[in-house]
Amino acid sequence: DARVTQTPRHKVTEMGQEVTMRCQPILGHNTVFWYRQTMMQGLELLAYFRNRAPLDDSGMPKDRFSAEMPDATLATLKIQPSEPRDSAVYFCASGLGFGSYNEQFFGPGTRLTVL
Amino acid sequence: GENVEQHPSTLSVQEGDSAVIKCTYSDSASNYFPWYKQELGKGPQLIIDIRSNVGEKKDQRIAVTLNKTAKHFSLHITETQPEDSAVYFCAAGGSQGNLIFGKGTKLSVKP
Repeated sequence: DARVTQTPRHKVTEMGQEVTMRCQPILGHNTVFWYRQTMMQGLELLAYFRNRAPLDDSGMPKDRFSAEMPDATLATLKIQPSEPRDSAVYFCASGLGFGSYNEQFFGPGTRLTVL
Repeated sequence: GENVEQHPSTLSVQEGDSAVIKCTYSDSASNYFPWYKQELGKGPQLIIDIRSNVGEKKDQRIAVTLNKTAKHFSLHITETQPEDSAVYFCAAGGSQGNLIFGKGTKLSVKP
C-alpha cells in the first residue's frame, strides 16, 4: 500500500557534522511537509512544499537548516552544522493540499541524536 | 498567530469507559479538523477528520464533534480498549494545506 518513506530511521552524529534526511512522498501527492517533534515543543512545522516549490519555511532556523525537493519523489532536509539542540524526531508528511482536501500522511520519522 | 489548544495532556481510563479529548482553535478561517493517533516509535496516523460543513462524524467507536461558533472540537472514544493507548493529536487546517497541531494527549487505557 502507498506510504511515505523516510531514511535513515535513526541517526547519531557529533556536533558540527552535516545531517541529511530523506523522504519519499506518496506517489501523486503534490504537497510535502517537514515536522520536528520534541517532548517540549510537540509537533512543529519546519517547512512545506507544493509542486516542489517551497511555500513556507518560516519554522526553520535558516542559518543551519535547508529543505529541498530535487524531484517529485524526493524531499531532503539538511542540517549543517548540527547542534545538540537539534536532537528530535523529524517527520515528513505528504498530501494533496489543495482546496479542502488537507489530509496529511506521515512517514515513520528519523530519530536524530546530536552528541 | 494561529494556535490550537488541546486538553487534557494526559488521560487515564478503565477499559470499556469512554474518553474525551477537547481542542480549541484560534483561526476562524480553519475548515478542516483531523485527529491523529501516534503509537510509540511511529509517525502520527490519521484516524478521523471533520470538515467545517458538518457538526459531527462517527466511525465505529470514534466520533468527532465540531462547534464552529465556539471554535472547538472534540474526539470521543467509546468502549475503550488497551490498544487505544497512544498519544492523540488534534489539528486545524486552512486553505493553504498546512495544519496547526495541538500538543497532544497521552491516553492510557487500563485493563
